[in-house]
Amino acid sequence: QVQLVESGGGLVKPGGSLRLTCAASGFTFSDNYMLWIRQAPGKRLEWVSYISPDSTTIYYADSVRGRFTVSRDNANNLLFLQMRSLRTEDTAVYLCYYFGKDVWGQGTSVTVS
Amino acid sequence: DIQMTQSPSSLSASVGDRVTITCRASQGIRNGLSWYQQKPGKAPKRLIYAASALQGGVPSRFSGSGAGTDFTLTISSLQPEDFATYYCLHHDSYPWTFGPGTKVEL
Repeated sequence: QVQLVESGGGLVKPGGSLRLTCAASGFTFSDNYMLWIRQAPGKRLEWVSYISPDSTTIYYADSVRGRFTVSRDNANNLLFLQMRSLRTEDTAVYLCYYFGKDVWGQGTSVTVS
Repeated sequence: DIQMTQSPSSLSASVGDRVTITCRASQGIRNGLSWYQQKPGKAPKRLIYAASALQGGVPSRFSGSGAGTDFTLTISSLQPEDFATYYCLHHDSYPWTFGPGTKVEL
């Protein structure tokens, strides 16, 4: 079945870095754009980033632009989010999202403290 | 950037009630709006896309309407499993924006 599985979250100090990975299966990953969404504890969902199927078009939320980098490896059906210069306000559960079929990962928790 | 507002922020309702949630965009977004249901500790689930199209597998008691700046999600007869938080999402242009959410409580 269509599945997304995130990994790479954890506890990091302010100013630190983390790399999140989302492993996709069950659909033609290379044909579809992908998104990262996050949700801080008790807060609304926040769109973080978009990457086109061929990685030529990328968008970021203002809150992460210049600090986060999205990328993908279509050969291995992987989506990445490199996060640098982390701030306490980046603390959230990060989810990868396949909008076309409304498929979400289970989320990976990032705590900056 | 387009801002999304939702009302009400929370509501109390009973099983069988008709519930209406509204979402307003700060500028026109055509029909680029989806509605999501989220339960605690779970990923969101899309109910409606393109403002009024019912997502496959979603009960027909859910419906969406609107275009431009004003949108509505209606639950025609609230069921026990519908107690959750509902979010709208504008996806007409980047950056996408979620509304602040509406918590539907018993």
